[in-house]
Amino acid sequence: GEDVEQSLFLSVREGDSSVINCTYTDSSSTYLYWYKQEPGAGLQLLTYIFSNMDMKQDQRLTVLLNKKDKHLSLRIADTQTGDSAIYFCAESISDYKLSFGAGTTVTVRA
Amino acid sequence: EPEVTQTPSHQVTQMGQEVILRCVPISNHLYFYWYRQILGQKVEFLVSFYNNEISEKSEIFDDQFSVERPDGSNFTLKIRSTKLEDSAMYFCASLDRGGGNEQFFGPGTRLTVL
Repeated sequence: GEDVEQSLFLSVREGDSSVINCTYTDSSSTYLYWYKQEPGAGLQLLTYIFSNMDMKQDQRLTVLLNKKDKHLSLRIADTQTGDSAIYFCAESISDYKLSFGAGTTVTVRA
Repeated sequence: EPEVTQTPSHQVTQMGQEVILRCVPISNHLYFYWYRQILGQKVEFLVSFYNNEISEKSEIFDDQFSVERPDGSNFTLKIRSTKLEDSAMYFCASLDRGGGNEQFFGPGTRLTVL
């Protein structure tokens, strides 16, 4: 079955690194995604990783995948106030439909 | 950069009325999706559409819901007789499987059923 779990809140100081964690249950997941949602806005694709990779880096973003433990993380280096948002982890299974976690609300404090 | 667009941005309707939510996916994409997000809850899959037919639907997508691609560009979600619990943000998404499996979302339509 599909079940994606995330911690609900993360508070981080500006300039520090943020790490958002996610666990998923379906071992047949092909792709895993991170989306960002700012207040009142849609879902912005940040990055994604194929299930046969264990790491992907894209500028300030680093995705780590532990397939054995079904654990995915997103690290944001040098977190800025503009990074305050809700971050959704999602897994892609059949027909590439996405199953989302509940979202982690990241608050960046000065 | 190409993007998914949705209209209207906000729709207010009376319970029992029909609504049609419209989406224009990215032009070379072949897979289309509708999701919804009830306020404060997670984003839920409703339906996927490929090759002019539904390929998968969730248990939320009952007989009150239908999708259509009436021409080469639009992708619509119709709710025949809206209920209070249909109030949510509805997101359209499209995917180009040959292009890296990036599923792009539209800005959403906020549906309020009174």
